[in-house]
Amino acid sequence: EDKVVQSPLSLVVHEGDTVTLNCSYEVTNFRSLLWYKQEKKAPTFLFMLTSSGIEKKSGRLSSILDKKELFSILNITATQTGDSAVYLCAALSSSSGSARQLTFGSGTQLTVLP
Amino acid sequence: DAGVTQSPTHLIKTRGQQVTLRCSPKSGHDTVSWYQQALGQGPQFIFQYYEEEERQRGNFPDRFSGHQFPNYSSELNVNALLLGDSALYLCASSLDWGARETQYFGPGTRLLVL
Repeated sequence: EDKVVQSPLSLVVHEGDTVTLNCSYEVTNFRSLLWYKQEKKAPTFLFMLTSSGIEKKSGRLSSILDKKELFSILNITATQTGDSAVYLCAALSSSSGSARQLTFGSGTQLTVLP
Repeated sequence: DAGVTQSPTHLIKTRGQQVTLRCSPKSGHDTVSWYQQALGQGPQFIFQYYEEEERQRGNFPDRFSGHQFPNYSSELNVNALLLGDSALYLCASSLDWGARETQYFGPGTRLLVL
């Protein structure tokens, strides 16, 4: 059974701190690893990682994938209160034909205090 | 460029009733996936539609069914509602090829079953 595990489950930091969120996966027919930020309802897309060892960056956020060890990390530097959200990691896999599905972890609840 | 839209935003039903949720994909997308997100959990894959056919299904009973229309919009139907069906139902759209297979989520429909 496909599985994605995120740690920690929750994290409380102060503004300006740097955080690292972890994601490990065991997925058949793995294609890529995606990170989403969920504040109220819709998860909003952050990164899609397909190749191992290549860091993706967007402002204060960065992420990297290790396909040998089957994990990914999401780093957020100089955290702000607006970064408070649930961060979801998901593994994209293929099955019969070209069907794709995302298997999500339970998420990391990040709270940034002023 | 319109993103993924879903209707209704909220819904209250009683056990045994039936419900239909609707989704319009992001402009240019041809694939729609549905997810169920229980409180405090990551989204779980229900099924994916492409070319008006269900091509991949997650571990959900037959009470969950769907449809995709020629304009790529989609419906999720749930029959014989149970209390445990209370959740946020998310629709995600994507383009069915290559590096553009990132799934973008709508705001969701919050279903409460009493």
